Amino acid sequence: QVQLLQSGAEVKNPGASVKLSCKASGYTFITYKLFWVRQAPGQGLEYVGVINPDGGFTDYTHKFRGRVTMTRDMSTNTVYMEMSSLRPDDTAVYYCTRNGGGMDVWGQGTTVTVSS
Amino acid sequence: QSALTQPRSVSGSPGQSVTLSCTGTSSDIGGYNYVSWYQQHPGKVPKLMIFDVNKRPSGVPDRFSGSKSGNTASLTISGLQAEDEADYYCCSFAGSYLLVFGGGTKLTVL
Repeated sequence: QVQLLQSGAEVKNPGASVKLSCKASGYTFITYKLFWVRQAPGQGLEYVGVINPDGGFTDYTHKFRGRVTMTRDMSTNTVYMEMSSLRPDDTAVYYCTRNGGGMDVWGQGTTVTVSS
Repeated sequence: QSALTQPRSVSGSPGQSVTLSCTGTSSDIGGYNYVSWYQQHPGKVPKLMIFDVNKRPSGVPDRFSGSKSGNTASLTISGLQAEDEADYYCCSFAGSYLLVFGGGTKLTVL
């Protein structure tokens, strides 16, 4: 079945970087763009950016430009999101989600905690 | 890009219909027919309920319907059921790969 499997929880100090992964299975990897969306505790959904596995094109919302880098590994059907200069307000659940007509498939989410 | 505006909370009784609104601008909702809605139960992953304004993914009950007028999109839930109690988020394309979410509406089934 179609699935997005994300990496495990992370705890980081302020100023550090984190790299999250999202492995796609059950469909042709290059067919759909993948988004990253985050949700801070008790808050709503926030769009971070997009990667097109077909060619590697990326785009990030203005808020995250310069701090976020999305990449993909075609050999393992995996996309990555690296965020640098982490702050306590980056504490959130980070989701990868597929653009299949709306965000039709979601990963299980990765909790990132930024705390000293 | 500002977030779309959703009422913080809406409530309804079982069997009733409720409509959740989502207001944006001509640069997002008003400019494109790419509005989607997501249902999220506490501690769970969001679930796609409506895409492209009014299309339902396979498996979503036809009690859920979407529409748009000008800069405002709406999600209507008819025949309200207890399991519909959840947070609902709207999302719109805003040009050049940009997406924007609403702040979310908490739906309470009385």
